[in-house]
Amino acid sequence: DTGVSQDPRHKITKRGQNVTFRCDPISEHNRLYWYRQTLGQGPEFLTYFQNEAQLEKSRLLSDRFSAERPKGSFSTLEIQRTEQGDSAMYLCASSPGGGVVKRLFFGSGTQLSVL
Amino acid sequence: DQQVKQNSPSLSVQEGRISILNCDYTNSMFDYFLWYKKYPAEGPTFLISISSIKDKNEDGRFTVFLNKSAKHLSLHIVPSQPGDSAVYFCAARPGGGAQKLVFGQGTRLTINP
Repeated sequence: DTGVSQDPRHKITKRGQNVTFRCDPISEHNRLYWYRQTLGQGPEFLTYFQNEAQLEKSRLLSDRFSAERPKGSFSTLEIQRTEQGDSAMYLCASSPGGGVVKRLFFGSGTQLSVL
Repeated sequence: DQQVKQNSPSLSVQEGRISILNCDYTNSMFDYFLWYKKYPAEGPTFLISISSIKDKNEDGRFTVFLNKSAKHLSLHIVPSQPGDSAVYFCAARPGGGAQKLVFGQGTRLTINP
């Protein structure tokens, strides 16, 4: 069990730049989630994939955000034209498929700072 | 709207005593509840869970209690240890086949020697 892996751990960017984060879930987990956590708040749901299909998107996911999971394995989250309000910890999680979700396994997150 | 609320941002407890963390929710459709623990620079890790059809679940030093009529759950840690110092998140599953979890704001627990 190698756990959920996220890259990079930290990203500093200037306002208006595009950034992309990568998540490698636990192998054989076919559900993959992206959450965002800001200071003093809990993780907020952004989107979720079942294999390669993106099945749910939060209204928090503006049109500047796009997530993909092209082959049902790793996923990328891209933010275009970053804003200072995008500064947050972006967490990826995975869970086994079959039935309803009972537990999410989180990665260590990517800390984004937009200057 | 905050459907899962942890109204205490922080809690300080002496080592060896009981820690009680509280969580309130507003959505009666939530059917499964979890507690996660988070250390700095790490992702949340699962601690314990409870189905809405139960009122108590125990795992070692950790016990979760669910009061559906009050829409309230609590996590008891006894005895508290220094390694328990972390941020604790309450989470709930919306039910109806929803495949996501909704989290509270977290409570920072500090265990003092």
